[in-house]
Amino acid sequence: QVQLVESGGGVVQPGRSLRLSCAASRFTFSSYGMHWVRQAPGKGLEWLAVISNDGANKDYADSVKGRFSISRDNSKNTLYLQMNSLRAEDTAVYYCARDAVYCSGGSCNPRGWFDPWGQGTLVTVSS
Amino acid sequence: SYVLTQSPSVSVAPGQTARITCGGNNIGSKSVHWYQQKPGQAPVLVVYDDSDRPSGIPERFSGSNSGNTATLTISRVEAGDEADYYCQVWDSSSDVVFGGGTKLTVL
Repeated sequence: QVQLVESGGGVVQPGRSLRLSCAASRFTFSSYGMHWVRQAPGKGLEWLAVISNDGANKDYADSVKGRFSISRDNSKNTLYLQMNSLRAEDTAVYYCARDAVYCSGGSCNPRGWFDPWGQGTLVTVSS
Repeated sequence: SYVLTQSPSVSVAPGQTARITCGGNNIGSKSVHWYQQKPGQAPVLVVYDDSDRPSGIPERFSGSNSGNTATLTISRVEAGDEADYYCQVWDSSSDVVFGGGTKLTVL
């Protein structure tokens, strides 16, 4: 079945950077938009960023715009989230998720639901 | 920015019906998606496009959406349904928006 596996989380000091990865398998990765969503301890879900199937279009939540960058390598079936200038409030479990919209060709804008989700990777920002 | 409002908690006895609401301005004009999240696990899609169910989701889960309120209904609630439930929409000004989540407690 479709699988998404995040990695790259850990403990990082405030102000430092971290890059998360999301390895996709058992589906045509290049045909789907992808998202990053996070969940702070004991809190709800917060959408962070989306990237179109071909990487041409990206969008971000205001809370991370300018600090976080989403990218993908379709040759490696991998999604990334580059996180810079990390703050204590960025402490959370970070999930990647596939958008529902299947793109049969060219570039398509993700506009659907999220299915499936990865298992998440914990990022702790602390000195 | 667009805001989705969910009640923090809902409690229901086993076998009864749980209704979890998601309020938003003219939400009836948008497609609403619902996720179930059990402790320590990733969210799982349970309803999409207001009322459709993914394969593998029991028929006990259903959804509706009209006016300013979308509703996730869980019939014949079981202990295993105890979880947090989140609604989600796309908004032209806010992109993806999640509700704050509702904790379903099975008494």
